[in-house]
Amino acid sequence: GAGVSQSPSNKVTEKGKDVELRCDPISGHTALYWYRQRLGQGLEFLIYFQGNSAPDKSGLPSDRFSAERTGESVSTLTIQRTQQEDSAVYLCASSNRGGNQPQHFGDGTRLSIL
Amino acid sequence: GQQVMQIPQYQHVQEGEDFTTYCNSSTTLSNIQWYKQRPGGHPVFLIQLVKSGEVKKQKRLTFQFGEAKKNSSLHITATQTTDVGTYFCALDTGRRALTFGSGTRLQVQP
Repeated sequence: GAGVSQSPSNKVTEKGKDVELRCDPISGHTALYWYRQRLGQGLEFLIYFQGNSAPDKSGLPSDRFSAERTGESVSTLTIQRTQQEDSAVYLCASSNRGGNQPQHFGDGTRLSIL
Repeated sequence: GQQVMQIPQYQHVQEGEDFTTYCNSSTTLSNIQWYKQRPGGHPVFLIQLVKSGEVKKQKRLTFQFGEAKKNSSLHITATQTTDVGTYFCALDTGRRALTFGSGTRLQVQP
């Protein structure tokens, strides 16, 4: 596709449930990033994938959060046993080669925990 | 660890007035990027600055990178309502991922 695609665009779930968010990066982009953005706040880095290197998981807030990426394509962010403080927009971005390259963002998944 | 400060957090201007946001780093940077996020939208890349003292212009937007490569500014001349949004700097400190500033939210009164 032409841009970064994220699904679902909105997700409402009950506290304690698991959720899975999906990101399709721009074709050919080797780097993929996940961010969390709470209402009116900045971007909180979660995790970074670059090619076949070990991902940088330093931003994951707890062991309830995990992410996977298949090769240089789709990534899924999983949040287990969701809490109300997990409510936020989850943004995915990709870039060509990673590091200091400009990032292209998807429209995000708005997650609401009841 | 890397410290980044972006000021102001919020600015409200009348249409036609100028606007400036500043980004300051505690460490020397490899490069800096600027992004704009419209209300309800996602961040969009604006520009990347690499060289010490670099100045780049995009129409009414002027971007500067400090001589010491520790700070940067974005200046908008004669704001328009289309400039409304949050402007983020993103720092490349040589780590694997960029560090985003907290952003400056710009509101333009018509």
